[in-house]
Amino acid sequence: DAKTTQPPSMDCAEGRAANLPCNHSTISGNEYVYWYRQIHSQGPQYIIHGLKNNETNEMASLIITEDRKSSTLILPHATLRDTAVYYCIVRVAWGAQKLVFGQGTRLTINP
Amino acid sequence: DGGITQSPKYLFRKEGQNVTLSCEQNLNHDAMYWYRQDPGQGLRLIYYSQIVNDFQKGDIAEGYSVSREKKESFPLTVTSAQKNPTAFYLCASSIWRGTDTQYFGPGTRLTVL
Repeated sequence: DAKTTQPPSMDCAEGRAANLPCNHSTISGNEYVYWYRQIHSQGPQYIIHGLKNNETNEMASLIITEDRKSSTLILPHATLRDTAVYYCIVRVAWGAQKLVFGQGTRLTINP
Repeated sequence: DGGITQSPKYLFRKEGQNVTLSCEQNLNHDAMYWYRQDPGQGLRLIYYSQIVNDFQKGDIAEGYSVSREKKESFPLTVTSAQKNPTAFYLCASSIWRGTDTQYFGPGTRLTVL
């Protein structure tokens, strides 16, 4: 799996949009960008994934640059419950593959 | 309510005892996985199973055993051979075809006394 680089920590005010960047300059053509988050002492929660087009679901939006070397996860209206460690992962989507979590970004939402 | 359940949430074990962690899913997923997470660390794959009655070792299988007798169940046994079993154990599942998004259970925190 390609390596990703994320800032170790970020802060965001409650109600504002949280924009979490991820660099994946060595991503291969068949690798997807996945985002998970983990709230303390809970299992990781799947957020969203994409290949090259921007994606949106009920939780977040994923913006992938045209060269696919970086992406941004957007939480449009952050709440205190969004405080968690966010992991950006790049991997092929097919078959049983282990997930390789890096250090992630610790996002703190402030009231 | 579909999802993955793990039990118990907290487990204490005396050194030298085997212990079995439960993982059940009602998502009709083909593949199931066990990961281990240590404080401040990422996930490490212990075992995974693609279909019933078949499973493969992950990166840190020594001291662990699994079974897959039913599609919805994938129990993990932590044996006395596991040198440092205190950790947070996570079970995940995914479909085997198409986009293979893994979904996680709530985890079991095992502490060896």
